[in-house]
Parts: sequence; C-alpha cells; structure tokens
Amino acid sequence: EPEVTQTPSHQVTQMGQEVILRCVPISNHLYFYWYRQILGQKVEFLVSFYNNEISEKSEIFDDQFSVERPDGSNFTLKIRSTKLEDSAMYFCARGKGESETQYFGPGTRLLVL
Amino acid sequence: AQTVTQSQPEMSVQEAETVTLSCTYDTSENNYYLFWYKQPPSRQMILVIRQEAYKQQNATENRFSVNFQKAAKSFSLKISDSQLGDTAMYFCAFMTLPSGSRLTFGEGTQLTVNP
Repeated sequence: EPEVTQTPSHQVTQMGQEVILRCVPISNHLYFYWYRQILGQKVEFLVSFYNNEISEKSEIFDDQFSVERPDGSNFTLKIRSTKLEDSAMYFCARGKGESETQYFGPGTRLLVL
Repeated sequence: AQTVTQSQPEMSVQEAETVTLSCTYDTSENNYYLFWYKQPPSRQMILVIRQEAYKQQNATENRFSVNFQKAAKSFSLKISDSQLGDTAMYFCAFMTLPSGSRLTFGEGTQLTVNP
C-alpha cells in the first residue's frame, strides 16, 4: 500500500500558539482519520472524516481542534491555543472504505513548550 | 464501550524462535474487525495483520499468524522465526462499524528479539 505523507515531521511551538498538521491523501481513499499518541502511551482516536465532513469524533476532540480539507487534497488538523499536554505524535490514517484497513502516515511529532 | 487489553507490557524472544503476544477485547457487537499493528523505534504504525470476526479461519501473513477465539474474545499474534527487525511495540486494535470506524487500541507489548 502506498504510504500517507504527513507534514511537518516535527513541530515545536510555544504554548498558546496555533499549529496546523497536514496529511496528503491518496486520491481513491475516502476516509481519513487523526489519532494521537502521547509518549509512552497507547494510540488514541481523535476524529474521522468522510465526504468532507466529520463522521465521528472522540471526547478528546473538543473545540480546540478542527479538521478540514480546504483544497480537496490536503487533510489538515488544526490545534488552537496549544497546551503542554498536546505534546504528542499525531498520526493521519486513511482507508478506502468504512470497514477497510486503516494505513497510517509516519506521524508529526508535536512539542509544546 | 469497546476495550482492548494487552496484559504483557514487555516480552523477549531469541532470534529464530517463536513468540506469542496476547490480546483480549470486550464488545457486545457481533460484526467487528481486529488488527495487529507494529510500531518500531521510528514510531511509524505498520499494519501486521487483520482478522474479520465473521471469518472462522485464522489470518496469516508470512511469519505472522493469529489465534482468533471469538467466544473467548481473544486475539493473539504468533511470530514465527523471529528476526531482529521484529523488535518493536505491538498494538492490538479493534474496530466495529456500529460504533463508527474508529480503531480502539490496546496498551501495547514491547517485543525485543535478542541475537
């Protein structure tokens, strides 16, 4: 399977700043997901996105977070007013269908200082 | 809510030997999917194997196979002929469509293959 591309690979930001993480999808994949993994912990679901709409979100995905696909290509996760506890690896995943296997990108390491 | 439990935080195995990683899950759904993902030190999440709950036959992928026991809600991963490159964190994950297509992960098992 072709890999998902994520940019940037690393991001360091100051607390209170906004960050945008990007995921470059494969054209025939319709489902996109964001997960996060705090260092040393398990991977946690944030949000799923289908047909340019959020299809499901977790309790973690509060008003601080938003997702969009502004130009029909890149799939972005925006984190407003970052907090120290937002430091984590953020993974984008994609799938061809709702029950299809999800393939993960290499992740973006976010460090909030 | 669905839960996934991996009771072995760490395991080790000698190169060329076989190791089994355990995973149990809890759900009231009948139609679901189970996965094992591997996370090497690079922290990339790599799919190892997938199992559909409606299939009785255990999935296999080369040296990787699963023992899926639906009644017991158990989904273990067997790695045969272990290689140094198998050293990684292994996550068991669960998905059921009535709850959306989110993956629910276990805590992970750190596997070390020793030369």
